[in-house]
Amino acid sequence: AQRVTQPEKLLSVFKGAPVELKCNYSYSGSPELFWYVQYSRQRLQLLLRHISRESIKGFTADLNKGETSFHLKKPFAQEEDSAMYYCALSGSDYKLSFGAGTTVTVRA
Amino acid sequence: EAEVAQSPRYKITEKSQAVAFWCDPISGHATLYWYRQILGQGPELLVQFQDESVVDDSQLPKDRFSAERLKGVDSTLKIQPAELGDSAMYLCASSLFDAGELFFGEGSRLTVL
Repeated sequence: AQRVTQPEKLLSVFKGAPVELKCNYSYSGSPELFWYVQYSRQRLQLLLRHISRESIKGFTADLNKGETSFHLKKPFAQEEDSAMYYCALSGSDYKLSFGAGTTVTVRA
Repeated sequence: EAEVAQSPRYKITEKSQAVAFWCDPISGHATLYWYRQILGQGPELLVQFQDESVVDDSQLPKDRFSAERLKGVDSTLKIQPAELGDSAMYLCASSLFDAGELFFGEGSRLTVL
């Protein structure tokens, strides 16, 4: 079985401060990990995936297989980063499972 | 820009009534998904189609839920009879292939009274 855990329901940071969203997973094989984001009044959309190793909107995420984690980080948060963030895992069956989500609020 | 279309956006119904949701994926996307999102939780996969075939419906409550994608394009999710616990957002998503990026619709919010 595959499982994604996001321990923080809410995260509040000041503009310009670093932000880190935690994601832990359980899966017996080699998973593919994603971060999806939902901005206010917008659709859920892909932010980044671990295989692309890209920085999107200043966000990065590193897959740590030893700790089974895929934390999302940004060194300097902006007000437009306020959103709901979901960590997701896809296994060998290509079934995408989501965590419960973290609401990020960036305060001026 | 092509988007996933869903209707209705909102549906209020009484328990024991029948409800249907419709989804039109992005043209050319072979894989279509229905997710249910209960308030405060992440999306939970109900059913996944590859073209017109169901590839995963293990979490679909088959006694009351049904889904079809007859021509491998648009899809319908039906609930009959609706129960109070079915109140949720029903999200449709599509992807070009089964390991690709998912594109989500705006969702259909169901309230069962």
